[in-house]
Amino acid sequence: DAKTTQPTSMDCAEGRAANLPCNHSTISGNEYVYWYRQIHSQGPQYIIHGLKNNETNEMASLIITEDRKSSTLILPHATLRDTAVYYCIVRAKAAGNKLTFGGGTRVLVKP
Amino acid sequence: GAVVSQHPSRVICKSGTSVKIECRSLDFQATTMFWYRQFPKQSLMLMATSNEGSKATYEQGVEKDKFLINHASLTLSTLTVTSAHPEDSSFYICSAIPTGFHTEAFFGQGTRLTVV
Repeated sequence: DAKTTQPTSMDCAEGRAANLPCNHSTISGNEYVYWYRQIHSQGPQYIIHGLKNNETNEMASLIITEDRKSSTLILPHATLRDTAVYYCIVRAKAAGNKLTFGGGTRVLVKP
Repeated sequence: GAVVSQHPSRVICKSGTSVKIECRSLDFQATTMFWYRQFPKQSLMLMATSNEGSKATYEQGVEKDKFLINHASLTLSTLTVTSAHPEDSSFYICSAIPTGFHTEAFFGQGTRLTVV
């Protein structure tokens, strides 16, 4: 799996949009970008994934650059409950393929 | 979303004993499940890939005789930590990928193991 690079930590204000960047310059053509988050002492929670088009669901939006070498996860209106470690992972979309976690970004939403 | 349940959520055991952790997919079948370990303030480290009906595949540096994995059905995988020692104390997390259309992984809530 391609490696990803994320900022170690970031703060954001409650009610504002949180933009989380991820670099994946060595991504292969068959690899998707997945985002998960882990709230303290819980298992990771799936957020969203995409290949090359921008994606949106009830939790977040995923913006992938045209060259696919980077992406941004957008939490449109951050709440205190969004405080977590966010992981960006690239992985080929086959059921047997494992998820390899990097360091992630520790996001602190402040009132 | 799909639900993965781990049991127990917390366990304390004496050094030298064995502990079994269960991972169940409640509303889907999973040919493949994964076991991770997470130490405080660190990321998840993949320990092994569990395949229904066949032997697990262990990551480099993970002792297969110490961490026994059984994936006897499409909804249950177990991890047994044998002859546990204090350094095995950690947060163990499983994940499962539904067979068929979905390919995102769903995670259990984790098991906090403390070896005293």
